[in-house]
Amino acid sequence: AQSVTQLDSQVPVFEEAPVELRCNYSSSVSVYLFWYVQYPNQGLQLLLKYLSGSTLVKGINGFEAEFNKSQTSFHLRKPSVHISDTAEYFCAVSIQGAQKLVFGQGTRLTINP
Amino acid sequence: EAGVTQSPTHLIKTRGQQVTLRCSPISGHTSVYWYQQALGLGLQFLLWYDEGEERNRGNFPPRFSGRQFPNYSSELNVNALELEDSALYLCASSFSGANVLTFGAGSRLTVL
Repeated sequence: AQSVTQLDSQVPVFEEAPVELRCNYSSSVSVYLFWYVQYPNQGLQLLLKYLSGSTLVKGINGFEAEFNKSQTSFHLRKPSVHISDTAEYFCAVSIQGAQKLVFGQGTRLTINP
Repeated sequence: EAGVTQSPTHLIKTRGQQVTLRCSPISGHTSVYWYQQALGLGLQFLLWYDEGEERNRGNFPPRFSGRQFPNYSSELNVNALELEDSALYLCASSFSGANVLTFGAGSRLTVL
């Protein structure tokens, strides 16, 4: 079975500072990896995904993530955050054919002016 | 292109009642997924439908059920509501066999 651990439940940062949201996973087979964002009172929006190929994945809103197979990690980064990035961020994994996303517990990103 | 649409957006029920939530997938998507996001429990997989058939089910009691219609829309039914069923219920859709899901805005259920 797959599992996802988001190491930080809350991350406060100042506006225009860089941020890294950490995600580790466990799986005995190859996985697909995703980051979703949930703005207050909304559903989930896909930020980026790793299916294969380059381990550095670029997503929307200036976010990127790097797949590290040896460390089973898929950390999310942004070089300079904005107030509008305040949201909850979810890391998720799936395996081909399972059609089921397993989510981490989420990281609440708070941007302070 | 319309996204995944869910209805109702909010509803309040009392213990023991029954509720039906509805989801319309993106045009062309044949797979529909249901997730429960309860406070403190994160996002839990409920059900996956594809081409009208239930393909996978999460660890939920049988009073959680659903179906998918020929037009690929879906309903989630919850019988004998309990207080802990209070949650945001998210529907997602995808092309058959695809791993990229598009989520709707959710239906927020409050059980009193």
